[in-house]
Amino acid sequence: QKEVEQDPGPLSVPEGAIVSLNCTYSNSAFQYFMWYRQYSRKGPELLMYTYSSGNKEDGRFTAQVDKSSKYISLFIRDSQPSDSATYLCAMSEGNAGKSTFGDGTTLTVKP
Amino acid sequence: GAVVSQHPSRVICKSGTSVKIECRSLDFQATTMFWYRQFPKKSLMLMATSNEGSKATYEQGVEKDKFLINHASLTLSTLTVTSAHPEDSSFYICSAREFGQFPNEQFFGPGTRLTVL
Repeated sequence: QKEVEQDPGPLSVPEGAIVSLNCTYSNSAFQYFMWYRQYSRKGPELLMYTYSSGNKEDGRFTAQVDKSSKYISLFIRDSQPSDSATYLCAMSEGNAGKSTFGDGTTLTVKP
Repeated sequence: GAVVSQHPSRVICKSGTSVKIECRSLDFQATTMFWYRQFPKKSLMLMATSNEGSKATYEQGVEKDKFLINHASLTLSTLTVTSAHPEDSSFYICSAREFGQFPNEQFFGPGTRLTVL
């Protein structure tokens, strides 16, 4: 079993829709949770990060972490065509060292 | 924001040759660099972690004699794929982290597409 499982997608939504991206994990030692966005043929860029459980909001993006369920989510409100990309969740145990990535979910927002 | 560059962006080589990929942090000092491999529609597979001035730590299953990593300075790490074969064809991405950054942010390079004929 993989340490991090991500909803595989792909997802296709109309512009303006609310998008929910999700990951589950098995390692209870994970404390740092990150979402990266990767455009085609580019390297990933950090979108949001959260430490431990709770919510974090940044503009149209909200990250949620539920450590009791080992479940994290990224919500995108009022989705735009420019949000079309692959979204990767990532997690780590400490604030140094390696992160473990999900396989990514490819999102397409249609105008 | 912090910028990481990779060179070359794309390389095509013959089987049996060696290929060197450079990863540079342009506006910060990278105490740690990571090398990943990414297959189509798959996630990033960590190959190794390198800290400036010390030997790289390879993940299980990654041949250290085949994938040579050198992190000679705080702004440069190199990955050399030795005696490349078609199965080594992939997208290779590096990332860099500066000591003191907020927890675990890695700045990724744009990637290098390697095709071995």
